[in-house]
Amino acid sequence: QITLKESGPTLVKPTQTLTLTCTFSGFSLSTSGVGVGWIRQSPGKALECLALIYWNDDKRYSPSLRSRLTITKDTSKHQVVLTMTNMDPVDTATYFCAHGLFLASGFEPFDYWGQGALVTVSS
Amino acid sequence: QTVVTQEPSLSVSPGGTVTLTCGLRSGSVSTFYYPSWYQQTPGQAPRRLIYSTNTRSSGVPDRFSGSILGNKAALTITGAQADDESVYHCVLYMDRGFWEFGGGTKLTVL
Repeated sequence: QITLKESGPTLVKPTQTLTLTCTFSGFSLSTSGVGVGWIRQSPGKALECLALIYWNDDKRYSPSLRSRLTITKDTSKHQVVLTMTNMDPVDTATYFCAHGLFLASGFEPFDYWGQGALVTVSS
Repeated sequence: QTVVTQEPSLSVSPGGTVTLTCGLRSGSVSTFYYPSWYQQTPGQAPRRLIYSTNTRSSGVPDRFSGSILGNKAALTITGAQADDESVYHCVLYMDRGFWEFGGGTKLTVL
């Protein structure tokens, strides 16, 4: 059974750096084809894919946020960490992590999701 | 600006059929974009319904179907039920090797 859970601060101040951790079970990030992504959703708004890390440590970032994002994985701890620098009130959102399979035979994105973590940016 | 376009809202009568679409501001959606569809109710994480254009995720009823219609990906709900009232999101695999979501469609069943 695959599960994911996001953890991190609920409140950050403008200009601070946000660090979120996705702790997962039921799969290994060293298995070929596996990826974990971070997706956020501002209140009442659309989903936005922020970053994705693959089993082979390939990393992809949102083109518009690339300069502020870093995604890393710790396979032994079953964790994926996202850092976002220079936080602004417009970054207030629920941040989700999600599992996907990205195989040569086809892509199966974001089939399992965490419950989400609400992060508020305010002074 | 949103590259992936969806209808902001649609409505359907109970038992009716509705088609939601997922397009590009510039260009056509094909199977190479691996379109996927998600259903989201308030306060919940999205639930994947369809991936790779037309493959239903495990446990998804067959009244949900995916296709390419013209130059867009499409999600068709046949025999709509009250609990289909949700926001539906599509996501596409872009040539930058990244996934881009659409703005979401709020579906009302009335």
